[in-house]
Amino acid sequence: DARVTQTPRHKVTEMGQEVTMRCQPILGHNTVFWYRQTMMQGLELLAYFRNRAPLDDSGMPKDRFSAEMPDATLATLKIQPSEPRDSAVYFCASGPTTGSVASYEQYFGPGTRLTVT
Amino acid sequence: DQQVKQNSPSLSVQEGRISILNCDYTNSMFDYFLWYKKYPAEGPTFLISISSIKDKNEDGRFTVFLNKSAKHLSLHIVPSQPGDSAVYFCAASVRNTGNQFYFGTGTSLTVIP
Repeated sequence: DARVTQTPRHKVTEMGQEVTMRCQPILGHNTVFWYRQTMMQGLELLAYFRNRAPLDDSGMPKDRFSAEMPDATLATLKIQPSEPRDSAVYFCASGPTTGSVASYEQYFGPGTRLTVT
Repeated sequence: DQQVKQNSPSLSVQEGRISILNCDYTNSMFDYFLWYKKYPAEGPTFLISISSIKDKNEDGRFTVFLNKSAKHLSLHIVPSQPGDSAVYFCAASVRNTGNQFYFGTGTSLTVIP
């Protein structure tokens, strides 16, 4: 049963601390997405990778957020320094390359609930 | 600027009745639309999709309707069941630019037994 995994599931940290969230995409998927869920904006796209290369990170505050894919099995999202307004649920999703008419969905992980105090 | 909008944050429906969830979009280039369902403490899961070449797609109790001229899609659930209680997100994409999705803010559906 292939799934996207995310760690940690919950993180409480103090303002100013560095936060690192990790994601393991489904094996064989070559697109990876980071989303943030907030009440006001719903699911906001933060960053998007294809074949480990960043394609779009325009949704990410560049001064404090960074996203990387060190290898095909690991994607990371870092916040440094963290702020209370970063408190949200962060989701990672993966998907196959565009090309199939029949299947075009993204598969989401369970999310990391971040609380910055 | 929100390109995909779900203007109803919540909806309550009696078990057995029809649930209709609505979604509007602004970008006429969108050519693929999806609905995702999300339970608490879980990630969204894919529910149903529709290409812009169709105006209806049905999968069991779930039907998605697309009105391109109105830039509107809706999800019908018939009959509604208590297990359908969840947050529903609609999403849209332009397929030939990759599978980047634009999500709405979600509608929380409660099906009352």
